[in-house]
Amino acid sequence: EAGVAQSPRYKIIEKRQSVAFWCNPISGHATLYWYQQILGQGPKLLIQFQNNGVVDDSQLPKDRFSAERLKGVDSTLKIQPAKLEDSAVYLCASSLVSAEQFFGPGTRLTVL
Amino acid sequence: ELKVEQNPLFLSMQEGKNYTIYCNYSTTSDRLYWYRQDPGKSLESLFVLLSNGAVKQEGRLMASLDTKARLSTLHITAAVHDLSATYFCAPRNNNAGNMLTFGGGTRLMVKP
Repeated sequence: EAGVAQSPRYKIIEKRQSVAFWCNPISGHATLYWYQQILGQGPKLLIQFQNNGVVDDSQLPKDRFSAERLKGVDSTLKIQPAKLEDSAVYLCASSLVSAEQFFGPGTRLTVL
Repeated sequence: ELKVEQNPLFLSMQEGKNYTIYCNYSTTSDRLYWYRQDPGKSLESLFVLLSNGAVKQEGRLMASLDTKARLSTLHITAAVHDLSATYFCAPRNNNAGNMLTFGGGTRLMVKP
C-alpha cells in the first residue's frame, strides 16, 4: 500500500515570497491533516479536512496560510507571503475517519 | 484546550539500561498515540492506547495509559543504540474530531 506522498521535499525561499506544498493521501482516506513542525518541537495541527470540507482550521494563520482539497483527494497548502518564522517542516497525514493518522515524509521549508 | 507535557525532554542513556518517558495531558482523552521520529524523517506510529489500564509492548518498548491520572508512560527495557530517536505522545482531543495534540517530544540517545 502506497503511503502519503508529499512534494517538494525541500524548499528555500526568501521572505515575502510565496510557496505551495502538495500532498496525496493514502487511497481511501477521507481525512487529511496538515501539520507544522518547528525544529525541536512537536507537530502542530494547522488544518484538518474530511473529504473536501474543513473540520478544523483554528490554528491556521489565515492572513498568510491557505489550504484546499477541492476534489476530496489531493491537497495543497500555500503560504503568501512567507515570514522567517514559517521555517519548519510541513507534514501531511491522512486517516480513515476517527482512526490512526499516517504521516508523509514532510516538506522542509527554509525562509531566508 | 488540551495541553501535553512530556518529560524528560532529553535523555541520554547507556545501552542495557532501563528508563521511562512520561506524558501528562490536561483534559480527558479517549485514546493516546506514541510516535517515533528519526532525524530528518517523518513520524512512525508505535502504539495506540484505547482505554484506561491499556498496556502494549513491542520489543523493548512498553506503553501504558492511566486515563484517570491523565498519564501515559513509555518504558524502555535494556536500551540498544537503534532506539535512539525522538518519541512523541499525542492524546486525541475528545471535542475535536480526530485531532491530536502532540507533546514536545523526548529526544533519546542511547550510547554504546
